[in-house]
Amino acid sequence: AQSVAQPEDQVNVAEGNPLTVKCTYSVSGNPYLFWYVQYPNRGLQFLLKYITGDNLVKGSYGFEAEFNKSQTSFHLKKPSALVSDSALYFCAVSLHTGGFKTIFGAGTRLFVKA
Amino acid sequence: DVKVTQSSRYLVKRTGEKVFLECVQDMDHENMFWYRQDPGLGLRLIYFSYDVKMKEKGDIPEGYSVSREKKERFSLILESASTNQTSMYLCASSGGLAGGLADTQYFGPGTRLTVL
Repeated sequence: AQSVAQPEDQVNVAEGNPLTVKCTYSVSGNPYLFWYVQYPNRGLQFLLKYITGDNLVKGSYGFEAEFNKSQTSFHLKKPSALVSDSALYFCAVSLHTGGFKTIFGAGTRLFVKA
Repeated sequence: DVKVTQSSRYLVKRTGEKVFLECVQDMDHENMFWYRQDPGLGLRLIYFSYDVKMKEKGDIPEGYSVSREKKERFSLILESASTNQTSMYLCASSGGLAGGLADTQYFGPGTRLTVL
């Protein structure tokens, strides 16, 4: 079965420290990969995506993600966390050949402590 | 900026009622989506539409229907609401571009529906 895994329900980091939110996937073909963020009582906001090209993708608010095809991972990273980064983060994959399918991970809650 | 709006932020309905959730986008996007969000389950796709009057089932269409009579508007209908449909409902749109349906989605603020 095709799936997206975010192995950590919650990630805690101190402000100023680097952060990583993990995502691995199991799908056929060459999916598009996305990270979205959800602040309290808000819809999801797009952070970044990987379609093709450079494995390191830069996005909004200083976030970046690294695509690793051999490990089928797309981890979200930021060099220096801010308290305002505290939110719920979703990894998603979209399949665009052989029919459309989009799969979201269960989400990882990030807490950044001052 | 893309703007996706949903008709209600909070909605309380009774079991058996017919419920309409409306979504409007202002960016002339071809594609629109309805998801439900439940803790620990992420987002699950209910229905999507890639053109006016076109609709496709997602992963969990049972108990739901949709309508897309105009390009900017995509409605989700619960024909007879049940308590297990209590959830956060999120609408999204995408512009297609090179990625087609698979490209970046832009989300509305969500409707938290409670069915008593």
